[in-house]
Amino acid sequence: EIVLTQSPATLSLSPGERATLSCRASQSVSNYVAWYQQKPGQAPRLLIYDASNRATGISARFSGSGSGTDFSLTISSLEPEDFAVYYCQQRSNWLTFGGGTKVEIK
Amino acid sequence: EVQLVESGGDLVQPGRSLRLSCTVSGFTFDDYTMHWVRQAPGEALEWVSSISWNGYSTGYADSVKGRFTISRDNAKNSLYLQMNSLRAVDTALYYCAKDLGPFYDGIGYYLDSWGQGTLVSFSS
Repeated sequence: EIVLTQSPATLSLSPGERATLSCRASQSVSNYVAWYQQKPGQAPRLLIYDASNRATGISARFSGSGSGTDFSLTISSLEPEDFAVYYCQQRSNWLTFGGGTKVEIK
Repeated sequence: EVQLVESGGDLVQPGRSLRLSCTVSGFTFDDYTMHWVRQAPGEALEWVSSISWNGYSTGYADSVKGRFTISRDNAKNSLYLQMNSLRAVDTALYYCAKDLGPFYDGIGYYLDSWGQGTLVSFSS
């Protein structure tokens, strides 16, 4: 099983600041990584797939990068609606999700 | 509009069985791989199982292998999860989700549409 480790667990930032979230895989997953956003009481929403492709309707302030074992999600300038929990997911060997990063208002 | 509606969640006793259903609309169901993902209260997402568009290929997380069975009925636009020998650790909100692209597009196993989930919890 491929394990995904996300860091930090919590990120405290102010609106307008840049957020950088990390996801590390226990073995190479090529570029087969997605990122999801989840708000309380809601289902997850796909943001990024294949490491760097934005899903339909996703703002350009969200960007993804990485390959192999190290990946990142960047939110260029935080909007109030961006404060949420973010998960990475790999599809190289079935599916696994990371433990999540909570982006909270400082 | 794509819609996925889960049902079948209940309060159960350990060791019992439960069958979850997911009825979909708004897309060509038999073109898509489908998935079950669960989330225990306050915890992270956990992949449970996936089934290919034609039902011929299935996969399971180690935590449910041998106890859970995924299936689909393309004529009824429905996805199922048969859960046997339930344990307290199976307590979670169970989501069904569809693949990002149809099976012939090569961008499978990313989940772009999700239901609102059905809750499985345990009584002592």
